[in-house]
Amino acid sequence: EPEVTQTPSHQVTQMGQEVILRCVPISNHLYFYWYRQILGQKVEFLVSFYNNEISEKSEIFDDQFSVERPDGSNFTLKIRSTKLEDSAMYFCASGRQGGTEAFFGQGTRLTVV
Amino acid sequence: RKEVEQDPGPFNVPEGATVAFNCTYSNSASQSFFWYRQDCRKEPKLLMSVYSSGNEDGRFTAQLNRASQYISLLIRDSKLSDSATYLCVVNAGAGSYQLTFGKGTKLSVIP
Repeated sequence: EPEVTQTPSHQVTQMGQEVILRCVPISNHLYFYWYRQILGQKVEFLVSFYNNEISEKSEIFDDQFSVERPDGSNFTLKIRSTKLEDSAMYFCASGRQGGTEAFFGQGTRLTVV
Repeated sequence: RKEVEQDPGPFNVPEGATVAFNCTYSNSASQSFFWYRQDCRKEPKLLMSVYSSGNEDGRFTAQLNRASQYISLLIRDSKLSDSATYLCVVNAGAGSYQLTFGKGTKLSVIP
């Protein structure tokens, strides 16, 4: 069964450093997403990406965040200068249609120290 | 602010029991509705989509009441493997691709 894959599974970084989280969405999906979940809290939407551009973003997705689809398979989330409060589980997801079922990767646990 | 509200639980039920979860959503423009399950420190996994006519998948039955903005999930004959957090999820409305998640209801099925 096709699945969304994310790397790394765990990333520890120092405050102020840049991190890039990587994702390979399901191959025939056209809509890509990043969500995050702070420990003990709900899953929160960050950004959606369709047709090689951002289609929506949340208030959390400020100028420190960016996304890119550098080739036909990868989808990345970059945090330019990490803050302690960026510590969370980051989930990549993909779907065939926007706003319908999304299938999630196993997540990258980001710890900012 | 568009919210999805769920009873956080925990629901502790014996094996074989029937358990029901409820969810309300505030965005009347939402058009797609789902139940996901999430195991501890894992990703959300789609359990089922929810349709206005109601739908059933084995031991799981989901219902949607658009007028009341209310979604339910019924699990019959609970198994130990059903222990997880159940997330009520709605899309943010027409033309929006984002999904809005509830905080989830934790279920523990006890032998």
